[in-house]
Amino acid sequence: DAGITQSPRHKVTETGTPVTLRCHQTENHRYMYWYRQDPGHGLRLIHYSYGVKDTDKGEVSDGYSVSRSKTEDFLLTLESATSSQTSVYFCAIKQGPDNEQFFGPGTRLTVL
Amino acid sequence: AQTVTQSQPEMSVQEAETVTLSCTYDTSENNYYLFWYKQPPSRQMILVIRQEAYKQQNATENRFSVNFQKAAKSFSLKISDSQLGDTAMYFCALKGATNKLIFGTGTLLAVQP
Repeated sequence: DAGITQSPRHKVTETGTPVTLRCHQTENHRYMYWYRQDPGHGLRLIHYSYGVKDTDKGEVSDGYSVSRSKTEDFLLTLESATSSQTSVYFCAIKQGPDNEQFFGPGTRLTVL
Repeated sequence: AQTVTQSQPEMSVQEAETVTLSCTYDTSENNYYLFWYKQPPSRQMILVIRQEAYKQQNATENRFSVNFQKAAKSFSLKISDSQLGDTAMYFCALKGATNKLIFGTGTLLAVQP
């Protein structure tokens, strides 16, 4: 257990509304990641962070922004949600001798 | 660009038998890591096994082992003595010099009683 929680776990929202997902970790990990999981695509990296206020884009960053104002929290924001952003979102941290990533429980987001 | 390919969308195995899931990848880097993750119906992503490219010996974790063929860029997962609890989606993943994981599209494994 890497001490990762995600909130909310489920959310239904309407097109055009802003949405913020939160990832919280308790073990002071430097690297944090946001992925989305869609059928036929596996998991794809949205954004990641390598320290407080240090973030970078991943493979599918359009329409998403992130913020990390303190080590333990990594926020993912959809400024104006679209139906194409309906997905399951996973947060992850990096740890271990082989730099493996450990994942939170996921957030299922539905945009109507 | 790095890619990971899992060519078997679905597989089925009888309880107590052995099954092998395939994964091929492409990277221009010399040092990298490969991983297999399991995602049961609970949706939790669970790390099953890891392999560093520089290590010749195939990794083993209890009933899970890999066949790592570096020249062929192949990284298959063998599950021995399959159990009902092994029913899950399995993802192969690659990590190179960047700290990003590239995932395959997954193989859905069903273990039949």
